[in-house]
Amino acid sequence: DVKVTQSSRYLVKRTGEKVFLECVQDMDHENMFWYRQDPGLGLRLIYFSYDVKMKEKGDIPEGYSVSREKKERFSLILESASTNQTSMYLCASTRLGQDNQPQHFGDGTRLSIL
Amino acid sequence: GENVEQHPSTLSVQEGDSAVIKCTYSDSASNYFPWYKQELGKRPQLIIDIRSNVGEKKDQRIAVTLNKTAKHFSLHITETQPEDSAVYFCAASNHTGFQKLVFGTGTRLLVSP
Repeated sequence: DVKVTQSSRYLVKRTGEKVFLECVQDMDHENMFWYRQDPGLGLRLIYFSYDVKMKEKGDIPEGYSVSREKKERFSLILESASTNQTSMYLCASTRLGQDNQPQHFGDGTRLSIL
Repeated sequence: GENVEQHPSTLSVQEGDSAVIKCTYSDSASNYFPWYKQELGKRPQLIIDIRSNVGEKKDQRIAVTLNKTAKHFSLHITETQPEDSAVYFCAASNHTGFQKLVFGTGTRLLVSP
């Protein structure tokens, strides 16, 4: 069974701090994704990566960056946290294939910026 | 880019009734349509998916239909049970786009005993 692990379930940080959210998957998946989930807005894609050191912007990349130094690990970085980045953050991974493959999600990190 | 609209935002049914959630998409190149269920405090989990070469797919009490011409797809849950209560998300993807999913805004389904 695919396991996607996010390092923290809950995180509280202060405005202006640099924040790191970590995600690890154990199925050797090529693709990894970071979403934020807000009530009434669904899941919105922040960044994704299809290989080590490769990254692509999603729909809402402003204020975020990512790092993928190893295939199994994908980090989301809030360079200078702001209150409007308070949200639930979800990591997902999927295998690269000829057809679309299901995305597998982590449990999420609920981030509060004070 | 792709845009997915989902309706209704909330749906309340009695146990044993059927529930239908509808989504429309804008990109005619989208070819993969998964549905995710998210229980309170838990991760989204795939419950069923359909590809554009199929018009309908069933798995026990759940089914998904796809109308490519109209660019809409629907989730049908029959004989609903209280444990079906959750938020359901539809999504659409075009494989050529690195398998990115564009999600709908979600439907909160409440099944009352």
